[in-house]
Amino acid sequence: GESVGLHLPTLSVQEGDNSIINCAYSNSASDYFIWYKQESGKGPQFIIDIRSNMDKRQGQRVTVLLNKTVKHLSLQIAATQPGDSAVYFCAENIGSAGNKLTFGGGTRVLVKP
Amino acid sequence: GAVVSQHPSWVICKSGTSVKIECRSLDFQATTMFWYRQFPKQSLMLMATSNEGSKATYEQGVEKDKFLINHASLTLSTLTVTSAHPEDSSFYICSARDPPGGPADTQYFGPGTRLTVL
Repeated sequence: GESVGLHLPTLSVQEGDNSIINCAYSNSASDYFIWYKQESGKGPQFIIDIRSNMDKRQGQRVTVLLNKTVKHLSLQIAATQPGDSAVYFCAENIGSAGNKLTFGGGTRVLVKP
Repeated sequence: GAVVSQHPSWVICKSGTSVKIECRSLDFQATTMFWYRQFPKQSLMLMATSNEGSKATYEQGVEKDKFLINHASLTLSTLTVTSAHPEDSSFYICSARDPPGGPADTQYFGPGTRLTVL
């Protein structure tokens, strides 16, 4: 998701349901993508990554999908738990540009009990 | 593995003073560290890339004389905010790259430092 001003997009999800967080990236030269989770007052925590030669990668309860045609990335969280409540950021990396990360605007996930 | 720490976790200072923030990679050597700042409800903005033994590379619009970066060892980078003003109040986060066994381009983040300038 993209932020507008000071308002983060918010995804409210019922505990136990699946969550899907979307991200549009900007640079077609990006070759590596990472999803981070950030809890209030803490630094970003690595969740899962994917390289541009893949279109899907699975981790524990999380799946990342990459669609290079439309420059779209998504994070799926299965069986969302209260501990999943946080802000999620996608980040794109351009290897030819010094491996710097460019972060998306972030999406807040609120898990309802 | 791949633990990054920051010190202090929060600091309050008077306008005009300088503040130093430390970033350490605890269980690996990091040839490259990055410094970001984050305003409330916003994303992370890269300030500079810190390379061990050489000068930092600053992003466009970041004043290198105001935000001094030193990366004197493979486990420590410091960010000094000089002559701090209230508009410098922010959440400063560092990251480190190149943990052993991982891909060279994954960044692991510290817990952040909350700076408040009065």
